[in-house]
Amino acid sequence: EAQVTQNPRYLITVTGKKLTVTCSQNMNHEYMSWYRQDPGLGLRQIYYSMNVEVTDKGDVPEGYKVSRKEKRNFPLILESPSPNQTSLYFCASSAAGAPRSGYTFGSGTRLTVV
Amino acid sequence: GNSVTQMEGPVTLSEEAFLTINCTYTATGYPSLFWYVQYPGEGLQLLLKATKADDKGSNKGFEATYRKETTSFHLEKGSVQVSDSAVYFCALSELGANSKLTFGKGITLSVRP
Repeated sequence: EAQVTQNPRYLITVTGKKLTVTCSQNMNHEYMSWYRQDPGLGLRQIYYSMNVEVTDKGDVPEGYKVSRKEKRNFPLILESPSPNQTSLYFCASSAAGAPRSGYTFGSGTRLTVV
Repeated sequence: GNSVTQMEGPVTLSEEAFLTINCTYTATGYPSLFWYVQYPGEGLQLLLKATKADDKGSNKGFEATYRKETTSFHLEKGSVQVSDSAVYFCALSELGANSKLTFGKGITLSVRP
């Protein structure tokens, strides 16, 4: 089954403790992206990657890092999480020519930073 | 920059009622337009899309027409069901270096029996 898999689904952590949210897709998609969803704000892009070793900032990149060493994986790293990063996170992927083909989203990771 | 504006919610309807959710957009070029749906506790699913002016996207009884003259992409369904209760997001994407999705704020639809 074609899918984007995120782990974990739920995570509660403390301020300053480094964490990684994994994202993997099995569709051989070139394009991958991370979004955060907050009430009243919709979804906002954090980082994106056009292909292996090619990443760039989205609209809200502060406090996050990403890497794209393999085509299928695109982990999101929070080196020193803060409470304002409490949010629902989604990973998405798409084939090249993304605007016409649509995006496939993961099931989400609900992160709470206390 | 690009932006998407959705009507304010939430929306509560009775089963079999007609649904319209308004969506307008601002874009510098010629975007593709999407409606995504998020069921409780789940991720986003693509509901329908349209890639050029006057295209009509349709799926599961939902329809939306790409109206370039009014920069709109309103979502409609003739008869809603309880199972349609979800959050609906309008979004656009333009071909380019990022090709990111720009989302509206989303609207919660509740359908009562």
